[in-house]
Amino acid sequence: DGGITQSPKYLFRKEGQNVTLSCEQNLNHDAMYWYRQDPGQGLRLIYYSQIVNDFQKGDIAEGYSVSREKKESFPLTVTSAQKNPTAFYLCASSFDGQGLYEQYFGPGTRLTVT
Amino acid sequence: SQQGEEDPQALSIQEGENATMNCSYKTSINNLQWYRQNSGRGLVHLILIRSNEREKHSGRLRVTLDTSKKSSSLLITASRAADTASYFCATDATLGDSSYKLIFGSGTRLLVRP
Repeated sequence: DGGITQSPKYLFRKEGQNVTLSCEQNLNHDAMYWYRQDPGQGLRLIYYSQIVNDFQKGDIAEGYSVSREKKESFPLTVTSAQKNPTAFYLCASSFDGQGLYEQYFGPGTRLTVT
Repeated sequence: SQQGEEDPQALSIQEGENATMNCSYKTSINNLQWYRQNSGRGLVHLILIRSNEREKHSGRLRVTLDTSKKSSSLLITASRAADTASYFCATDATLGDSSYKLIFGSGTRLLVRP
């Protein structure tokens, strides 16, 4: 997990509220990613950013939003439009977005919406 | 869409035995990566093998890649209880903006019994 942090570790919210998950990296990586993991499943890509001030939708972007105002930071907002937001959210970064390098993952945030 | 699929879904072995996990994928790749995830934690990168490589070693880990069969295997030799985790393969896929994303399988859950 070294070099990339996520906070908080656990998050509880009421249905209808927006919530923002933090992701920070000090690896000087250009590319950053947000994934969602449901129990017993693999990871699905929500949003990615190849470079600061630029981001693109992944496979399941509906109900989520992101920003990339700083190289080190890539916060994810889970909006009330996300139909089933309870999940484990993982942030990752890599040297670039060209697929030649491994991704480094944060420890994850477990979001529970009731 | 799932690109890499691991087999078996779950594996239980005795400490000291070898563990073999397989991954199959559907389309051509530039590289294939293996990651480990301890319960409730982020993913840790294990090995990246490029499409022009057939075998790669890292400590007790051995990864093979057969691009003609679109498959890879991860071998953990002399397993330890600390190897208990989920193991994921991930393959690269191009995105519309010429960047790449990783597509993860649903993982193999390995239990190493002391």
